[in-house]
Amino acid sequence: DAKTTQPPSMDCAEGRAANLPCNHSTISGNEYVYWYRQIHSQGPQYIIHGLKNNETNEMASLIITEDRKSSTLILPHATLRDTAVYYCIVRVAFGGSGNTGKLIFGQGTTLQVKP
Amino acid sequence: DAGVIQSPRHEVTEMGQEVTLRCKPISGHDYLFWYRQTMMRGLELLIYFNNNVPIDDSGMPEDRFSAKMPNASFSTLKIQPSEPRDSAVYFCASTLQWNQPQHFGDGTRLSIL
Repeated sequence: DAKTTQPPSMDCAEGRAANLPCNHSTISGNEYVYWYRQIHSQGPQYIIHGLKNNETNEMASLIITEDRKSSTLILPHATLRDTAVYYCIVRVAFGGSGNTGKLIFGQGTTLQVKP
Repeated sequence: DAGVIQSPRHEVTEMGQEVTLRCKPISGHDYLFWYRQTMMRGLELLIYFNNNVPIDDSGMPEDRFSAKMPNASFSTLKIQPSEPRDSAVYFCASTLQWNQPQHFGDGTRLSIL
């Protein structure tokens, strides 16, 4: 599975949109982009995932560039409760040998939402 | 809906003791995962099951660790004997199908003195 690169930390003002970038320049055609977040002392929480089209749900929007080498997670109106570590993960939708298809968590981006 | 339930939430014990962590996955989910999180190594997959059968245990650190899933609604992760370096937060997760999102429990914070 392709690796991802995320900034270690970001700040965002409460009520503003939080845009979290992720680079995955080695992504292959059958790999999905997943986003999870982990609020302090809790288990990771699924946010959204996509293959090549932009996706939106009640939590966030996912914008994937046309060449699929990068993506942006958008929290449209960040609140203090969105303060968390955000993980961008690239994986195929099937299991296999080694780490194929597994959720491999990197260091993520620590998002601090400030009042 | 009940999510993934883990117990205990906190465990403090002395080195050399046996530790058993428990997990109840979401009903109907066919996959169950055990993860460990430390400051040094981050969040790493230890083992996963499909339909109660262990599929990949390559992440289990050593023979002191063992995991079982006797039925679809219960799994255990056992450490015997425990060592201080096993101190970590252990998470259990489940999913309906491989390509579906994994749902995580709130974890067990384990401290080995």
